Amino acid sequence: GAVVSQHPSWVICKSGTSVKIECRSLDFQATTMFWYRQFPKQSLMLMATSNEGSKATYEQGVEKDKFLINHASLTLSTLTVTSAHPEDSSFYICSARVYGFLDTQYFGPGTRLTVL
Amino acid sequence: DAKTTQPPSMDCAEGRAANLPCNHSTISGNEYVYWYRQIHSQGPQYIIHGLKNNETNEMASLIITEDRKSSTLILPHATLRDTAVYYCIVRVVMNSGGYQKVTFGTGTKLQVIP
Repeated sequence: GAVVSQHPSWVICKSGTSVKIECRSLDFQATTMFWYRQFPKQSLMLMATSNEGSKATYEQGVEKDKFLINHASLTLSTLTVTSAHPEDSSFYICSARVYGFLDTQYFGPGTRLTVL
Repeated sequence: DAKTTQPPSMDCAEGRAANLPCNHSTISGNEYVYWYRQIHSQGPQYIIHGLKNNETNEMASLIITEDRKSSTLILPHATLRDTAVYYCIVRVVMNSGGYQKVTFGTGTKLQVIP
């Protein structure tokens, strides 16, 4: 099956610093990737849709200048949390669209971000 | 999107079948039923999907009622590793090249008990 990886799996940073999270499709090309955020005991909330070679589309209420998304290749999308604050601490999950029979998304293992 | 309703939590004895219900009474004719699960601190995992026929794969079976207003995910022999939050999602599969994103509700927290 399609495999999506994320790096790092967890990160701790100081308030005010920026953190980059990588999402890779390992065995397929992903023209469309998605970024979700999940706070403790809550469901996943879609943050943005990332299309290779074009600007990301952000969901309502998500600050595009704070959550920078780059999808420079067919196998890599990155999410940069700029000037992170403790309220940005969350579980960030990426996924990639898989075409064909399923036409759905495969998800990465997630990145736990803790901002001190 | 059609909304789904799932019980917030369920218990199941290890080795028994786990039957997880989902109501989607406003489902449209072109909307499929998808099931995902999320084990604690991991990304969601695709389980199965269907339109109107019952489906089975190596992980589970999906039973969709004839009027398509509800469905049941069946894990035939639940193990401790099946403890997770299970999400029932309805979404359109577009043949025209468009794509409907996967959005999550609150799901059912299944606890498999030894």
